[in-house]
Amino acid sequence: KNQVEQSPQSLIILEGKNCTLQCNYTVSPFSNLRWYKQDTGRGPVSLTIMTFSENTKSNGRYTATLDADTKQSSLHITASQLSDSASYICVVGSGGSYIPTFGRGTSLIVHP
Amino acid sequence: DGGITQSPKYLFRKEGQNVTLSCEQNLNHDAMYWYRQDPGQGLRLIYYSQIVNDFQKGDIAEGYSVSREKKESFPLTVTSAQKNPTAFYLCASSLTGTDTYEQYFGPGTRLTVT
Repeated sequence: KNQVEQSPQSLIILEGKNCTLQCNYTVSPFSNLRWYKQDTGRGPVSLTIMTFSENTKSNGRYTATLDADTKQSSLHITASQLSDSASYICVVGSGGSYIPTFGRGTSLIVHP
Repeated sequence: DGGITQSPKYLFRKEGQNVTLSCEQNLNHDAMYWYRQDPGQGLRLIYYSQIVNDFQKGDIAEGYSVSREKKESFPLTVTSAQKNPTAFYLCASSLTGTDTYEQYFGPGTRLTVT
C-alpha cells in the first residue's frame, strides 16, 4: 500500500530561524513529489514539484530536496516569517495513477 | 481571473438534511476531485471525475453523491446517510486525470451539521 509519512507532526520555531520538515514515502512506482502549503481554513497551494531526476528545487525561501534512493524528501524553510505558519503537506504521485498519495502534514507555528 | 471556486465558505445544516456544496473551475481542466479534511488527518478522497459524465468513488464515498454534467462544475451532495458530515471539504482540479499533473485546490467549504 502506498504511504507518505511526515515528521514532525508539529513544530514551533521563532521568527527568523530556519527549519526542516521531513517526508518519507513508500509509493511505487514513483513519478513526482510535491510540497503544498495550507493556511488555516484555506485550500493547499503548491510550493514545489520534483520528478525522479531532480534532487532539489527552490521557491524563494523554500527549498525541497529529494533522495529517490532512500525515498525521502525534505522541505527547508530559511529565515522563517510569521506568514510561514501553516500546514505543509507532502504529496507523492505514482505515474499513471489517478490519485496521488497525501501525507498528513506538518503543522508549523512561527512565533515572533 | 482563472481558478477554482467553492461556495459557500461556511455552511450550517440540521442533522437529517441533505446539503450540496458547489465547485466551479474555469481552468479548462478535465479532472475534478472532492476531498474531506478532518483535524489532524490528511486529505481523504471522496469522489473524483476524469471527464464529463463520468465519476468514481474514492476511499470514503459512503453518504456522498456527485454529478459531472458540465466540465466546469462538480457539485457534492452530503446526504443524511453520512454519519459524521461536519468537516472541511476541498475541491480540486487537474489538467487530466493522472497524478502527473498538479492538483489545484479551491478555498474550501466548512460544513457544520448539528
